[in-house]
Amino acid sequence: QVQLQESGPGLVKPSQTLSLTCTVSGASITSDDYYWGWVRQHPGKGLDWIGYTYYSGITYYNPSLKSRATMSIDTSKSRLSLKLTSVTAADTAMYYCAGGSSIVATVGYWGQGTLVTVSS
Amino acid sequence: DIVMTQSPESLAVSLGERATINCKSSQNILYSSDNKNYLAWYQQKPGQPPKLLISWASTPETGVPDRFSGSGSGTDFTLTISSLQAEDVAVYYCQQYYITPRTFGQGTKVEIK
Repeated sequence: QVQLQESGPGLVKPSQTLSLTCTVSGASITSDDYYWGWVRQHPGKGLDWIGYTYYSGITYYNPSLKSRATMSIDTSKSRLSLKLTSVTAADTAMYYCAGGSSIVATVGYWGQGTLVTVSS
Repeated sequence: DIVMTQSPESLAVSLGERATINCKSSQNILYSSDNKNYLAWYQQKPGQPPKLLISWASTPETGVPDRFSGSGSGTDFTLTISSLQAEDVAVYYCQQYYITPRTFGQGTKVEIK
Protein backbone atom coordinates (compact mmCIF):
# COMPACT_ATOMS: atom_id res chain seq x y z
CA GLN A 1 0.00 0.00 0.00
CA VAL A 2 1.06 3.60 -0.46
CA GLN A 3 3.01 5.03 2.46
CA LEU A 4 4.29 8.53 3.03
CA GLN A 5 6.95 9.40 5.60
CA GLU A 6 7.95 12.95 6.45
CA SER A 7 11.34 13.91 7.80
CA GLY A 8 13.06 17.12 8.73
CA PRO A 9 14.02 19.33 11.65
CA GLY A 10 11.42 19.95 14.31
CA LEU A 11 12.81 23.37 15.19
CA VAL A 12 13.62 26.19 12.80
CA LYS A 13 14.77 29.70 13.66
CA PRO A 14 12.80 32.73 12.49
CA SER A 15 13.81 34.06 9.06
CA GLN A 16 15.41 30.75 8.13
CA THR A 17 14.25 28.15 5.61
CA LEU A 18 12.12 25.20 6.63
CA SER A 19 13.08 22.08 4.67
CA LEU A 20 11.07 18.87 4.77
CA THR A 21 11.16 15.70 2.75
CA CYS A 22 8.56 13.03 2.17
CA THR A 23 9.53 9.54 1.11
CA VAL A 24 6.92 7.84 -1.01
CA SER A 25 6.67 4.06 -1.11
CA GLY A 26 4.15 1.74 -2.67
CA ALA A 27 3.56 4.02 -5.65
CA SER A 28 5.62 5.57 -8.39
CA ILE A 29 6.30 9.21 -7.63
CA THR A 30 6.80 9.78 -11.36
CA SER A 31 3.44 8.39 -12.39
CA ASP A 32 0.76 10.81 -13.49
CA ASP A 33 -1.72 8.48 -11.81
CA TYR A 34 -0.91 10.36 -8.61
CA TYR A 35 -0.40 13.82 -7.24
CA TRP A 36 1.65 14.74 -4.18
CA GLY A 37 1.74 17.71 -1.87
CA TRP A 38 1.84 19.22 1.57
CA VAL A 39 -0.93 20.14 3.99
CA ARG A 40 -0.30 21.97 7.21
CA GLN A 41 -2.34 22.27 10.35
CA HIS A 42 -1.75 25.00 12.89
CA PRO A 43 -2.21 23.87 16.50
CA GLY A 44 -5.89 23.26 17.16
CA LYS A 45 -6.87 24.50 13.71
CA GLY A 46 -8.02 23.15 10.37
CA LEU A 47 -6.29 21.87 7.25
CA ASP A 48 -4.61 24.12 4.70
CA TRP A 49 -2.92 23.20 1.47
CA ILE A 50 0.62 24.44 1.08
CA GLY A 51 0.62 23.08 -2.43
CA TYR A 52 0.43 20.02 -4.61
CA THR A 53 2.14 18.86 -7.74
CA TYR A 54 1.95 16.32 -10.49
CA TYR A 55 5.12 14.84 -11.94
CA SER A 56 4.08 16.26 -15.29
CA GLY A 57 4.73 19.71 -13.85
CA ILE A 58 1.28 20.98 -12.97
CA THR A 59 1.71 22.64 -9.59
CA TYR A 60 -0.44 24.65 -7.21
CA TYR A 61 0.85 26.80 -4.38
CA ASN A 62 -1.32 28.48 -1.77
CA PRO A 63 -1.18 32.21 -2.62
CA SER A 64 -1.26 33.06 1.09
CA LEU A 65 2.33 31.85 1.32
CA LYS A 66 3.38 34.64 -1.05
CA SER A 67 5.84 32.58 -3.09
CA ARG A 68 7.76 31.38 -0.03
CA ALA A 69 7.04 27.72 -0.77
CA THR A 70 8.78 25.49 -3.30
CA MET A 71 8.15 21.80 -3.89
CA SER A 72 10.37 19.47 -5.85
CA ILE A 73 10.50 15.79 -6.72
CA ASP A 74 13.63 13.66 -6.44
CA THR A 75 12.89 10.70 -8.66
CA SER A 76 16.04 8.78 -7.71
CA LYS A 77 14.98 8.66 -4.07
CA SER A 78 11.21 8.76 -4.56
CA ARG A 79 11.02 11.87 -2.44
CA LEU A 80 8.93 15.02 -2.41
CA SER A 81 10.60 18.03 -0.85
CA LEU A 82 9.26 21.25 0.57
CA LYS A 83 11.16 24.43 1.21
CA LEU A 84 9.49 27.34 2.96
CA THR A 85 11.61 30.47 3.22
CA SER A 86 11.61 33.36 5.68
CA VAL A 87 9.65 31.49 8.32
CA THR A 88 7.99 33.16 11.27
CA ALA A 89 6.17 31.90 14.33
CA ALA A 90 3.04 31.78 12.17
CA ASP A 91 4.58 28.86 10.30
CA THR A 92 4.61 26.71 13.44
CA ALA A 93 2.38 23.81 12.51
CA MET A 94 2.04 20.11 11.85
CA TYR A 95 3.14 19.45 8.29
CA TYR A 96 1.60 16.50 6.48
CA CYS A 97 2.81 14.95 3.28
CA ALA A 98 -0.29 14.12 1.28
CA GLY A 99 -1.26 12.58 -2.01
CA GLY A 100 -3.88 10.82 -3.98
CA SER A 101 -5.20 9.63 -7.27
CA SER A 102 -4.97 12.18 -10.03
CA ILE A 103 -8.36 10.99 -11.28
CA VAL A 104 -10.31 11.35 -8.07
CA ALA A 105 -8.17 14.13 -6.53
CA THR A 106 -9.15 13.34 -2.97
CA VAL A 107 -6.37 12.98 -0.41
CA GLY A 108 -6.23 9.23 -0.09
CA TYR A 109 -2.73 9.11 1.36
CA TRP A 110 -1.36 10.93 4.38
CA GLY A 111 1.92 10.81 6.21
CA GLN A 112 1.91 10.77 9.99
CA GLY A 113 2.93 14.40 10.03
CA THR A 114 5.89 16.24 11.46
CA LEU A 115 5.59 19.10 13.92
CA VAL A 116 7.69 22.11 13.05
CA THR A 117 8.20 24.85 15.58
CA VAL A 118 9.61 28.22 14.57
CA SER A 119 11.42 29.73 17.49
CA SER A 120 14.75 31.28 18.32
CA ASP B 1 -11.76 30.14 -4.20
CA ILE B 2 -14.67 27.94 -3.16
CA VAL B 3 -15.40 28.44 0.53
CA MET B 4 -16.57 25.37 2.43
CA THR B 5 -18.60 26.12 5.54
CA GLN B 6 -19.36 23.38 8.05
CA SER B 7 -21.96 23.38 10.77
CA PRO B 8 -22.07 22.96 13.64
CA GLU B 9 -18.52 23.67 14.82
CA SER B 10 -18.94 20.98 17.44
CA LEU B 11 -21.58 18.58 18.64
CA ALA B 12 -22.00 16.16 21.48
CA VAL B 13 -24.04 13.04 20.83
CA SER B 14 -24.92 10.12 23.08
CA LEU B 15 -23.51 6.72 22.24
CA GLY B 16 -25.76 4.96 19.76
CA GLU B 17 -27.43 8.17 18.64
CA ARG B 18 -27.23 9.88 15.26
CA ALA B 19 -24.70 12.60 14.48
CA THR B 20 -25.25 14.91 11.52
CA ILE B 21 -22.67 17.29 10.08
CA ASN B 22 -23.45 19.80 7.38
CA CYS B 23 -21.18 21.25 4.74
CA LYS B 24 -22.07 24.06 2.37
CA SER B 25 -19.99 25.13 -0.59
CA SER B 26 -19.98 28.72 -1.85
CA GLN B 27 -20.60 27.49 -5.37
CA ASN B 28 -21.92 24.42 -7.11
CA ILE B 29 -19.57 21.44 -7.06
CA LEU B 30 -21.75 19.12 -9.12
CA TYR B 31 -20.03 18.59 -12.46
CA SER B 32 -22.73 18.36 -15.09
CA SER B 33 -20.77 16.27 -17.57
CA ASP B 34 -20.40 13.30 -15.19
CA ASN B 35 -23.16 14.15 -12.71
CA LYS B 36 -20.75 13.77 -9.80
CA ASN B 37 -20.38 15.93 -6.73
CA TYR B 38 -16.70 16.63 -6.09
CA LEU B 39 -16.98 16.45 -2.32
CA ALA B 40 -15.03 14.36 0.17
CA TRP B 41 -15.26 13.77 3.91
CA TYR B 42 -12.32 13.11 6.22
CA GLN B 43 -12.05 11.97 9.81
CA GLN B 44 -9.18 13.12 12.03
CA LYS B 45 -8.80 11.43 15.38
CA PRO B 46 -6.65 13.07 18.06
CA GLY B 47 -2.96 12.78 17.32
CA GLN B 48 -3.52 11.21 13.91
CA PRO B 49 -3.52 12.42 10.32
CA PRO B 50 -6.85 12.78 8.57
CA LYS B 51 -8.37 9.72 6.96
CA LEU B 52 -10.48 9.76 3.83
CA LEU B 53 -13.96 8.43 4.59
CA ILE B 54 -16.13 9.32 1.62
CA SER B 55 -15.59 10.61 -1.90
CA TRP B 56 -18.02 11.76 -4.57
CA ALA B 57 -20.23 13.00 -1.70
CA SER B 58 -21.61 9.54 -0.96
CA THR B 59 -19.12 6.79 -1.91
CA PRO B 60 -17.44 5.29 1.16
CA GLU B 61 -13.84 4.18 1.07
CA THR B 62 -13.14 0.49 1.52
CA GLY B 63 -13.34 -0.51 5.15
CA VAL B 64 -15.35 2.47 6.34
CA PRO B 65 -18.10 1.28 8.70
CA ASP B 66 -21.54 1.47 7.18
CA ARG B 67 -22.78 3.74 9.95
CA PHE B 68 -21.02 6.54 8.03
CA SER B 69 -22.95 7.91 5.07
CA GLY B 70 -22.76 10.98 2.90
CA SER B 71 -25.51 12.73 1.03
CA GLY B 72 -26.34 15.95 -0.74
CA SER B 73 -25.75 17.58 -4.08
CA GLY B 74 -24.82 20.89 -5.62
CA THR B 75 -23.89 23.08 -2.68
CA ASP B 76 -25.33 21.33 0.39
CA PHE B 77 -23.95 18.14 1.82
CA THR B 78 -24.31 16.03 4.94
CA LEU B 79 -22.22 13.44 6.74
CA THR B 80 -24.28 11.19 8.98
CA ILE B 81 -23.05 8.80 11.63
CA SER B 82 -26.11 6.66 12.20
CA SER B 83 -25.14 5.22 15.59
CA LEU B 84 -22.25 6.99 17.26
CA GLN B 85 -19.52 4.79 18.69
CA ALA B 86 -16.78 5.82 21.08
CA GLU B 87 -14.16 5.41 18.37
CA ASP B 88 -15.93 8.01 16.22
CA VAL B 89 -14.77 10.86 18.45
CA ALA B 90 -12.88 13.01 15.99
CA VAL B 91 -12.91 16.15 13.92
CA TYR B 92 -14.59 15.76 10.56
CA TYR B 93 -13.71 17.83 7.51
CA CYS B 94 -15.37 18.24 4.16
CA GLN B 95 -13.33 19.13 1.09
CA GLN B 96 -14.22 20.10 -2.44
CA TYR B 97 -12.03 18.87 -5.26
CA TYR B 98 -14.04 20.46 -8.05
CA ILE B 99 -11.51 23.19 -8.72
CA THR B 100 -8.10 24.29 -7.53
CA PRO B 101 -7.52 25.10 -4.75
CA ARG B 102 -9.15 22.03 -3.24
CA THR B 103 -10.44 23.75 -0.16
CA PHE B 104 -11.38 22.20 3.18
CA GLY B 105 -14.12 23.14 5.58
CA GLN B 106 -13.09 24.38 9.02
CA GLY B 107 -13.96 21.11 10.71
CA THR B 108 -16.65 19.79 13.06
CA LYS B 109 -15.67 18.25 16.37
CA VAL B 110 -17.76 15.26 17.43
CA GLU B 111 -17.78 14.30 21.11
CA ILE B 112 -19.69 11.91 23.33
CA LYS B 113 -22.46 13.42 25.44
